Amino acid sequence: GQNIDQPTEMTATEGAIVQINCTYQTSGFNGLFWYQQHAGEAPTFLSYNVLDGLEEKGRFSSFLSRSKGYSYLLLKELQMKDSASYLCALVDSNYQLIWGAGTKLIIKP
Amino acid sequence: TAGITQAPTSQILAAGRSMTLRCTQDMRHNAMYWYRQDLGLGLRLIHYSNTAGTTGKGEVPDGYSVSRANTDDFPLTLASAVPSQTSVYFCASSDSDTGAGGYTFGSGTRLTVV
Repeated sequence: GQNIDQPTEMTATEGAIVQINCTYQTSGFNGLFWYQQHAGEAPTFLSYNVLDGLEEKGRFSSFLSRSKGYSYLLLKELQMKDSASYLCALVDSNYQLIWGAGTKLIIKP
Repeated sequence: TAGITQAPTSQILAAGRSMTLRCTQDMRHNAMYWYRQDLGLGLRLIHYSNTAGTTGKGEVPDGYSVSRANTDDFPLTLASAVPSQTSVYFCASSDSDTGAGGYTFGSGTRLTVV
């Protein structure tokens, strides 16, 4: 079967760095997405990893280790507008997305 | 602005009634999807369509039906609504049926079945 685990909620301080982890078990893997979702809004694309390593995009970076079934999203120089839920989703062997429940990130001043 | 349009934004529906949630995209994406999102759960796939004229069942298809008569439109129908179908429904599209291109989401429909 397939399973994705993310922390339910995290709190961080404005200006700081936070790492949101995602672990998964799957019989087939064709990539992993991170999406951001503000309350009451649609998810928006952040990153896609298919090979091991770090993908950097401005203040946000995403890391993947396929052998460990592990990914993380790193957010630097946190801003209040980064308060949102962050969704991890893997692309399974049938090329369907399997979504985690999301991590609610609370930024405090 | 290119993207996905969902309608209505929200709806209160009496149990037993039918309803169609509309979804239209103007990006000429081949693949389209319907998800429901419930508190504490990840997005769950209801139905999908890899290209016009074809549809498939997702993780939670019971009580829902879809059609894909053309590339742009992918309506979701609840034939006889039940309270457990109270949820936020998102339509999404992708330019690749592999999903690797990333998904674009509509703004969602908040449905309450009473």
